[in-house]
Amino acid sequence: EMQLVESGGGLVQPGGSLRLSCAASGFTFSRHAMSWVRQAPGKGLEWVSGTSGSGGTTCYGESVKGRFTIFRDNSKNTLYLQMNGLRAEDTAVYFCAKEWDVTLVGGYFDLWGRGTLVTVSS
Amino acid sequence: DVVMTQTPLSLPVTPGQPASITCKSSQNLLYSNGETYLYWYLQKPGQSPQLLIYDVSSRFSGVPDRFSGSGSGTDFTLTISRVEAEDVGVYYCMQGTYLPHTSGQGTKLEIK
Repeated sequence: EMQLVESGGGLVQPGGSLRLSCAASGFTFSRHAMSWVRQAPGKGLEWVSGTSGSGGTTCYGESVKGRFTIFRDNSKNTLYLQMNGLRAEDTAVYFCAKEWDVTLVGGYFDLWGRGTLVTVSS
Repeated sequence: DVVMTQTPLSLPVTPGQPASITCKSSQNLLYSNGETYLYWYLQKPGQSPQLLIYDVSSRFSGVPDRFSGSGSGTDFTLTISRVEAEDVGVYYCMQGTYLPHTSGQGTKLEIK
C-alpha cells in the first residue's frame, strides 16, 4: 500500500527553524516528483515547493523562496523541507504529496500524507 | 504566478441534484505538448485532499462517474451529475502547467 507519513511539525518562535520529513513507502520513490503543499487554518491549499524525482530540479512558491529548502534522500525514500526564518504566516498544516510523474510540470498529486502542523508563535 | 479563480465559493445542493463549479485561470493552461494540466481535488472534512480529475477531464482511479470535468484554455468546469451526501467538502482546482503550481480558493459544497 502506498503511503506518505509526515513528521517534524511543532511550535516554533518567529525567526526559528524547523525541518519536516516525509517517509514514503509502497512505490518507487525516485520515479516520482514530490511536493509540499500547506493549508493555513481555515484557508485553502498553497503549493510550497517541489522537487523532481532525482532531486536535480527544485521550485519554490514566492512566499517561501530564500527561506525554505526542499531536498530528498532517495536511498531513504524520504522527502524533507528545511524551513528557516519562520514567520507567523507560515503557520499551517504541511502536506507531503506524490506526483504521478518524475518531473514537476504536468504532475498531479495522486497521493497525499495526513499532514503535520507547524505553528509559528511567540 | 497563475491566478486561479473559482466560483461559487459556497454551494448548497439538494441530494440527487446536479452541481457545477467553475474555475478560471489567468493564463492559458495549454502546455507545449498539447496537454492541459488542470486538476480537481476534493478535501472532505478532516481529511487530506484527494484527486478527482486530472488533465481537465480524466477521472482518477476509483472516482465515481457522476464526477466529470470539462473546459479548455482558461475556463474549466467540474460537474457532479447527482450529488450524494458523501460529496460534501471543499473542492479545489489546481493548475500544473506552470511553476509554481497554483490553486483556486476552494468551493465548499454542503447538503441542503
